[in-house]
Amino acid sequence: GAVVSQHPSRVICKSGTSVKIECRSLDFQATTMFWYRQFPKQSLMLMATSNEGSKATYEQGVEKDKFLINHASLTLSTLTVTSAHPEDSSFYICSARGTDPATNEKLFFGSGTQLSVL
Amino acid sequence: GENVEQHPSTLSVQEGDSAVIKCTYSDSASNYFPWYKQELGKGPQLIIDIRSNVGEKKDQRIAVTLNKTAKHFSLHITETQPEDSAVYFCAASEGFQKLVFGTGTRLLVSP
Repeated sequence: GAVVSQHPSRVICKSGTSVKIECRSLDFQATTMFWYRQFPKQSLMLMATSNEGSKATYEQGVEKDKFLINHASLTLSTLTVTSAHPEDSSFYICSARGTDPATNEKLFFGSGTQLSVL
Repeated sequence: GENVEQHPSTLSVQEGDSAVIKCTYSDSASNYFPWYKQELGKGPQLIIDIRSNVGEKKDQRIAVTLNKTAKHFSLHITETQPEDSAVYFCAASEGFQKLVFGTGTRLLVSP
């Protein structure tokens, strides 16, 4: 099956620093990747949609200058949390939709990144 | 926009019993309804999905039913096992784009 790899799985950083999270589709090409945020015991909330080669589309209330998304290739999207603060601590999850019939009618999720900002 | 409600928030069953989780959605344009299982500290794993042109779909112990008129869909797990214990999320979308998730159901299967 289609595999989405997300790294790192866990990161701890100091307040004010930036953190980059990578999302890779390992065995398929993904034209569209989605970034979600999940607080403890809550549901997944969509942050943004990224399409390869174009600017990401952010959901209402998500600061695009704080959460930088780059989708430079069909297998890689990155989320950079800039100037992180404790309130940015959360579980970040990416998902991908492929280009071929086997992968473009489902969304495949990464394993998530637990960000803790001290 | 789409709004998905999910019930119950927690569900405790004995091993071997059946478990049913229900979701309702608001946007009649939604036509794709997946169910995900999430274990602690991991990303969601797709367990079954259904499209609006089908009323029911089954995969071994798992089944999903969809009532488009009433805008609700349900997950049915039969012969539950302790390893079924996890958080289950329903979701809805138009096409295979922006998924809107339900609030989740914590299923606990006791031996």
